[in-house]
Amino acid sequence: TQLLEQSPQFLSIQEGENLTVYCNSSSVFSSLQWYRQEPGEGPVLLVTVVTGGEVKKLKRLTFQFGDARKDSSLHITAAQPGDTGLYLCAGLNSNSGYALNFGKGTSLLVTP
Amino acid sequence: EAEVAQSPRYKITEKSQAVAFWCDPISGHATLYWYRQILGQGPELLVQFQDESVVDDSQLPKDRFSAERLKGVDSTLKIQPAELGDSAMYLCASSLVGGGVLQTQYFGPGTRLLVL
Repeated sequence: TQLLEQSPQFLSIQEGENLTVYCNSSSVFSSLQWYRQEPGEGPVLLVTVVTGGEVKKLKRLTFQFGDARKDSSLHITAAQPGDTGLYLCAGLNSNSGYALNFGKGTSLLVTP
Repeated sequence: EAEVAQSPRYKITEKSQAVAFWCDPISGHATLYWYRQILGQGPELLVQFQDESVVDDSQLPKDRFSAERLKGVDSTLKIQPAELGDSAMYLCASSLVGGGVLQTQYFGPGTRLLVL
């Protein structure tokens, strides 16, 4: 199994602060995806990164894929309460039919 | 916008009882996945279908879990008998086709199971 370690596990910040969460593995992934999951709902895809060193921006969210394609980071600028949720990284399992291996997630709480 | 439908949204049952969950994927999506998410963890794959065929069920506890997608459209996941450790969120996802690094999986809202 290709394991993905996410850190920190929990993060509580105030509105307007910046934050970075990390996703690390000892395995190389052909691609990594980031999802956000709100309580009682299914995960929703935010971004897919494919190329080593790739940087993608989605409004206030910046995603980076490591050069060796073993790690990724998500940086949020000026966090808002609407950013609250569980952030999951996931990599395609090369041993399966393209099912996803998920990390345990980072639970983010942004307070006004 | 098309969505993955799941029912029921919540299920409370007693241990040793049978439970069943239903998933209707986005129309035209050939690949369907069932994941289990324990509180505080990320989702873990239970079974993957390509049309009506099982692609991967290596993590499905086959002594008590079964899944079917008879006509290659909607799917049912069954647990019999349920155990306390089965309490979790059961997520269904679908994608247009299996394979390919850029296939997006769309998740349903999940069924939250509590076994007493």
